[in-house]
Amino acid sequence: AQSVTQPDIHITVSEGASLELRCNYSYGATPYLFWYVQSPGQGLQLLLKYFSGDTLVQGIKGFEAEFKRSQSSFNLRKPSVHWSDAAEYFCAVGFSGGYNKLIFGAGTRLAVHP
Amino acid sequence: NAGVTQTPKFRVLKTGQSMTLLCAQDMNHEYMYWYRQDPGMGLRLIHYSVGEGTTAKGEVPDGYNVSRLKKQNFLLGLESAAPSQTSVYFCASSGAGGGSPLHFGNGTRLTVT
Repeated sequence: AQSVTQPDIHITVSEGASLELRCNYSYGATPYLFWYVQSPGQGLQLLLKYFSGDTLVQGIKGFEAEFKRSQSSFNLRKPSVHWSDAAEYFCAVGFSGGYNKLIFGAGTRLAVHP
Repeated sequence: NAGVTQTPKFRVLKTGQSMTLLCAQDMNHEYMYWYRQDPGMGLRLIHYSVGEGTTAKGEVPDGYNVSRLKKQNFLLGLESAAPSQTSVYFCASSGAGGGSPLHFGNGTRLTVT
């Protein structure tokens, strides 16, 4: 069965430190891969997506993610975290066929210390 | 450009009451979705629609009904609310192309007592 795992429920980093959020998926083929961010009281906003091609993708707000087929992973990174990055981050795996089916991970809540 | 708009933002219901959540999108998207978000469970798909007049069940459809009478609107109904339906509900829309990203509304926080 298709699934998405975000191993870290909570992560705390200091402002200016680097960040890596982990995402692993289970699927027989290469899916569409997404990272979304959710600020408190808001909906989900798309950070970046991977469909094919270059395995390192750039997104908004200085985020990037790398697709590693051998590890079935799509980890999100940022070299220097800002206090405004505190939010919840969701990895999602998409499949075509009938509709744009997305399976979401449980999310990682990021706290940023000054 | 408003994107995806959900109403209401908050609602408290008593067990057995009914209500309808409204979702409107102004991006001319073909596909629309209703998700529920519960702590530690990510987002789970309730129902979706691939076009005006069509709807289909998602992962957790029981206790909910939907309608898509107009392309821009997607309604989620609870006929007899239960405490287990206490959740945050998100509407989303997307284009029809494979892998088109979803655009989300800001959510409706529903409490059933």
